[in-house]
Amino acid sequence: QKEVEQNSGPLSVPEGAIASLNCTYSDRGSQSFFWYRQYSGKSPELIMSIYSNGDKEDGRFTAQLNKASQYVSLLIRDSQPSDSATYLCAVNMDLSGGGNKLTFGTGTQLKVEL
Amino acid sequence: EAGVAQSPRYKIIEKRQSVAFWCNPISGHATLYWYQQILGQGPKLLIQFQNNGVVDDSQLPKDRFSAERLKGVDSTLKIQPAKLEDSAVYLCASSPLGQGRTNEKLFFGSGTQLSVL
Repeated sequence: QKEVEQNSGPLSVPEGAIASLNCTYSDRGSQSFFWYRQYSGKSPELIMSIYSNGDKEDGRFTAQLNKASQYVSLLIRDSQPSDSATYLCAVNMDLSGGGNKLTFGTGTQLKVEL
Repeated sequence: EAGVAQSPRYKIIEKRQSVAFWCNPISGHATLYWYQQILGQGPKLLIQFQNNGVVDDSQLPKDRFSAERLKGVDSTLKIQPAKLEDSAVYLCASSPLGQGRTNEKLFFGSGTQLSVL
């Protein structure tokens, strides 16, 4: 089982619709969860972080976390063509020797169509 | 605030040659990461430094890859000899937080795109 799993897509949504991106993770002890956006040919940039069960909203973005189900999602409301990118789910996992490391999923490619 | 600097931006080499990448993190950032991102995949952590010590290098192919972070600032990643499957973007990132604390945010450099022919 992969540590962080996402559907690779592409996920196509019409402009103005809600895009829903999903991610599951294997380490039940993980405490920190992140969504990074990566435009083609560019580096990842952080758009959302979430640490507690429930929803966290920031503008058009809502992150949802369910630790019991080991599931985290990202909703993008009123999707715009500029949202077309690959969205990477990242989970902070404890290292056996102490400290932690950020593990990324393979990413979901989102296409917002006019 | 200056970002994470990486060089070179692109590199093309033949298999069995060696190559080195350089990274200068954001000033004051304690943690430095090297990720490998193969086309169509998510970034894979190769090595994580806390100041000049290694926190995790479990996914670093140590028979051909090496990395160092002298004086806890700049870092270099070397591949010797390169294989075709090493073709990827090598991303350097830094974070201000210390070991044992949650990595709040990683700041990524522009990456080095390596093509091994």
